[in-house]
Amino acid sequence: DAGVTQSPTHLIKTRGQHVTLRCSPISGHKSVSWYQQVLGQGPQFIFQYYEKEERGRGNFPDRFSARQFPNYSSELNVNALLLGDSALYLCASSPLGGNEQFFGPGTRLTVL
Amino acid sequence: SQQGEEDPQALSIQEGENATMNCSYKTSINNLQWYRQNSGRGLVHLILIRSNEREKHSGRLRVTLDTSKKSSSLLITASRAADTASYFCATDARGSGNTGKLIFGQGTTLQVKP
Repeated sequence: DAGVTQSPTHLIKTRGQHVTLRCSPISGHKSVSWYQQVLGQGPQFIFQYYEKEERGRGNFPDRFSARQFPNYSSELNVNALLLGDSALYLCASSPLGGNEQFFGPGTRLTVL
Repeated sequence: SQQGEEDPQALSIQEGENATMNCSYKTSINNLQWYRQNSGRGLVHLILIRSNEREKHSGRLRVTLDTSKKSSSLLITASRAADTASYFCATDARGSGNTGKLIFGQGTTLQVKP
């Protein structure tokens, strides 16, 4: 079975631009969570979506937004990019009622 | 913000030795999980221990949880070079309403020398 997939793998943007990151969960998983991992730190929670609704939001500015589609895939959007947004963005899916989260390989975003 | 701290930040051992890493957290939890991350890529779930459990084993892994001290430890026995990775503890805060919000520590980087 395919695991969580994310695209693109790497991305380079300049300050002020906008970026869209994509995630496909494991088949049958309806919950998708997004995390930001800055180099040398642990992942920080950004959003969780379940059944296309936002169920949780971390301490991130409104420049960060996300949505979940009917097929449970998800997009993370970041507007007005800052240098500090450079990080590995991780998507994780989990089954209904599950505690364990299954992570994708991540998208490495570099903002110049 | 990070939930707590992991100790040590870095650990270097010889193959065959045991590796112990510790995690402290701040709030009441439903469960605590350990994840492994190779070379800054995706995280792999290792083991979950619930707040009413004190010890759990999975293969060469042993996890303990002390909720009175808000701490956990991960022991990897008979380490192998392939165990070289970063290890993170993550807590599922009680009352989080199943938001899927895991709070991670800063991680321990383990190097196992052949």
